[in-house]
Amino acid sequence: QQQVKQSPQSLIVQKGGISIINCAYENTAFDYFPWYQQFPGKGPALLIAIRPDVSEKKEGRFTISFNKSAKQFSLHIMDSQPGDSATYFCAASHSNSGYALNFGKGTSLLVTP
Amino acid sequence: EAGVTQSPTHLIKTRGQQATLRCSPISGHTSVYWYQQALGLGLQFLLWYDEGEERNRGNFPPRFSGRQFPNYSSELNVNALELEDSALYLCASSLAGQETQYFGPGTRLLVL
Repeated sequence: QQQVKQSPQSLIVQKGGISIINCAYENTAFDYFPWYQQFPGKGPALLIAIRPDVSEKKEGRFTISFNKSAKQFSLHIMDSQPGDSATYFCAASHSNSGYALNFGKGTSLLVTP
Repeated sequence: EAGVTQSPTHLIKTRGQQATLRCSPISGHTSVYWYQQALGLGLQFLLWYDEGEERNRGNFPPRFSGRQFPNYSSELNVNALELEDSALYLCASSLAGQETQYFGPGTRLLVL
């Protein structure tokens, strides 16, 4: 059973545009929500993360928006660049499980020049 | 500082054999996590080790097992390999009790 649902599966954005990826979860025990970026042949790399007591977190061009009541969170990539072309995974975890990550199925982002 | 390392990078086995994958965490990290990234199934949590003990296990059969050594490195063993075990196996590490996990490059296992 997929505990974190991610959409869209793939996304094409022009250089300079905004990329938006959405995730939804069911388990209200989740208390940590990271986003990972993965390039082909590499392991996932932590991009940005948020806790549910915060509604938004920004780091450079990357912003997480968090809606606790709707049990949804999203990643916004501003001024998208071709180098951002990768697969993005949202995840959720809780301290009770030792923060074992429950991943979304991933979004393949292509930023065109 | 070195990141999480995994060996081998690639492994080819036949059905019914056993596979052993290895992981060295970031220096100072005591927790090690294993994940399976299979085509079409995404990233799935396998096992969590901390201070030498298995602390949590994902929805995988008992033929997936492992251990953590006194130096906090870890080993994942997959017995009685099946074709569907073909996947990228990722190891991640974290500081004790901390939520942030750092991933290694993975071991790609192919079962023929």
